[in-house]
Formats: sequence, structure tokens, C-alpha cells
Amino acid sequence: DAMVIQNPRYQVTQFGKPVTLSCSQTLNHNVMYWYQQKSSQAPKLLFHYYDKDFNNEADTPDNFQSRRPNTSFCFLDIRSPGLGDAAMYLCATSIRGPDTQYFGPGTRLTVL
Amino acid sequence: AQTVTQSQPEMSVQEAETVTLSCTYDTSESNYYLFWYKQPPSRQMILVIRQEAYKQQNATENRFSVNFQKAAKSFSLKISDSQLGDTAMYFCAFMKNGNQFYFGTGTSLTVIP
Repeated sequence: DAMVIQNPRYQVTQFGKPVTLSCSQTLNHNVMYWYQQKSSQAPKLLFHYYDKDFNNEADTPDNFQSRRPNTSFCFLDIRSPGLGDAAMYLCATSIRGPDTQYFGPGTRLTVL
Repeated sequence: AQTVTQSQPEMSVQEAETVTLSCTYDTSESNYYLFWYKQPPSRQMILVIRQEAYKQQNATENRFSVNFQKAAKSFSLKISDSQLGDTAMYFCAFMKNGNQFYFGTGTSLTVIP
């Protein structure tokens, strides 16, 4: 049973064209995270929501924004994608903060 | 700032043998959590094992166990009886303050038949 679902699995966009990535969860977890993972690198936390409270990492570019309209869904918006934004984007959830994170399969973003 | 260091970018092990992956971390916190995650090729990241810093006993999950040395800030993962399905990238991770999560750079493990 899928618990953390990411759509689409593969996304191609053009340089500068806004794109939205989607994450949903069936776990009813309080916390949702977005990570960026470039090839052969560790995932880098972009931001997270604890319920409706949004927490941005200090070095997350302004080009990246997020929305969490309800417990189940969280979106990653990239306003003007650059070539350097091509990466795997991982969504994860946890019941509360200091707890195991459950990851989705990721969305691989290609920027042309 | 918290850092997590995995000094072995790549490792290999013969099937059925034992392998240990190293991880060190740097923090001034006294209460935190440590994790090992596994990311198989083209598949999603899954939890292997977790350790709460306040617990002295090393965590164990079937063939996976950790050697947690709090004073040395070391958290190594031992995989016993290695199986082909253990081939993956392994990430050590550190969590503090509830929601701040930091990954190491990963160790790519290959199990050789």
C-alpha cells in the first residue's frame, strides 16, 4: 500500500517555466518535508511543515516555495526553474519531529 | 552547525559476509536521534535502523546493528550475512530539535555474489 505518493514520477520543464510537484500521504502524519537530491549527493532539506507551520531552511533559494492545503497534500512550486534545479525531489513525512521519516519514490525533474 | 560524515564513499562485501559502514557526526546537543537509511538503485529511501542518543543500548534490527559511541560521536552500521538485496546507497542521518534533519554524503555498498 502506497503511503507517500509523489506525482509525477518524472517531470520535464523548460528553463524559466514554473512547475509544481505534488506529494500526498495516507499516514495522517503531522510533518511533511521536501528534499532536493542531486546525482550521487545526499538529500538536502528545503523546507518542512509541522501541521500548518512552515519552516524554511536558511539556504533554500527564493525560487522554491511550498504549500500545504491540508494534512494529506503538500506541493513544491519552482517559480523559474534553472538548469541547476534539475534533481530528484523527495517528499517525506513523520508523525512528529523526532521520529522516523517515510519517503516517497521521488520526482525526477529535468530542465531543458 | 551539525555535520554528518561518512568517510567511505564506496564499499563492497562478499555475499554472506559482514560489513561495517562508518558514520561520525558533530553536535553540541545532548538529545538527538540517529538513523541509517537505505536507498536501493532507482528505488525509494527506507529506514534501516534508528537510535535515540539517550539510550545506551545499541539498536538492532535482524541482520542490522549499530555501534553507537556517544562520546566519540560515532554511529556505525554493521550488516551481517550480507545479501544481494543489500546493495544500495546507505545514508547516515542526524536529527535534533524535532524537525531538523541532516544526511551524510552516503556510502555506496555493493554485495558481490
